[in-house]
Amino acid sequence: EAGVTQSPTHLIKTRGQQATLRCSPISGHTSVYWYQQALGLGLQFLLWYDEGEERNRGNFPPRFSGRQFPNYSSELNVNALELEDSALYLCASSVSPGQPISQETQYFGPGTRLLVL
Amino acid sequence: RKEVEQDPGPFNVPEGATVAFNCTYSNSASQSFFWYRQDCRKEPKLLMSVYSSGNEDGRFTAQLNRASQYISLLIRDSKLSDSATYLCVVTGYSSASKIIFGSGTRLSIRP
Repeated sequence: EAGVTQSPTHLIKTRGQQATLRCSPISGHTSVYWYQQALGLGLQFLLWYDEGEERNRGNFPPRFSGRQFPNYSSELNVNALELEDSALYLCASSVSPGQPISQETQYFGPGTRLLVL
Repeated sequence: RKEVEQDPGPFNVPEGATVAFNCTYSNSASQSFFWYRQDCRKEPKLLMSVYSSGNEDGRFTAQLNRASQYISLLIRDSKLSDSATYLCVVTGYSSASKIIFGSGTRLSIRP
């Protein structure tokens, strides 16, 4: 069974540009989560999509946005890039929570390393 | 105060040793707890869930102390392959709850 896939693996941008990161969940999973892992700061929750809708977002500015497509894949868009946006962006998927989200195991993709120069 | 705090380590212990580390959380309404393992430059992978009654999986034991608001992970008879960063995860009960990861504890097992 294929795991969570992300593309691109690496992305280099300059300040002020926009970045688009993509994620394909495990087949049968309808929930997709995005996390930012900056060096030394641990994983920070960014966004949660389920069944095409944004369910929750972390403490990030509005220039971090995304969407989930009918096939449950997802995009994360970061506008007006800043140097501190350089990080590993991880996507995770889980089955749609029939019970509270917190009960469902998340499976992570390999991540996209974004470098902002 | 951070919502979830872990000792960053590194913990450097000899092979075969027993090592334990804790993770404290600030929200008493937190309901679900997990330990993830992350190898260097890899994605996190679920190690085990943490149940109220405590749970064991082979050499790994996880416990929850609601009164003191912390979870713990104990690794017995440590192996070289246990070297990794261990992340604790705390979430609430409702679908509006955020998922909070700790910054991780680095563990290094030496021969």
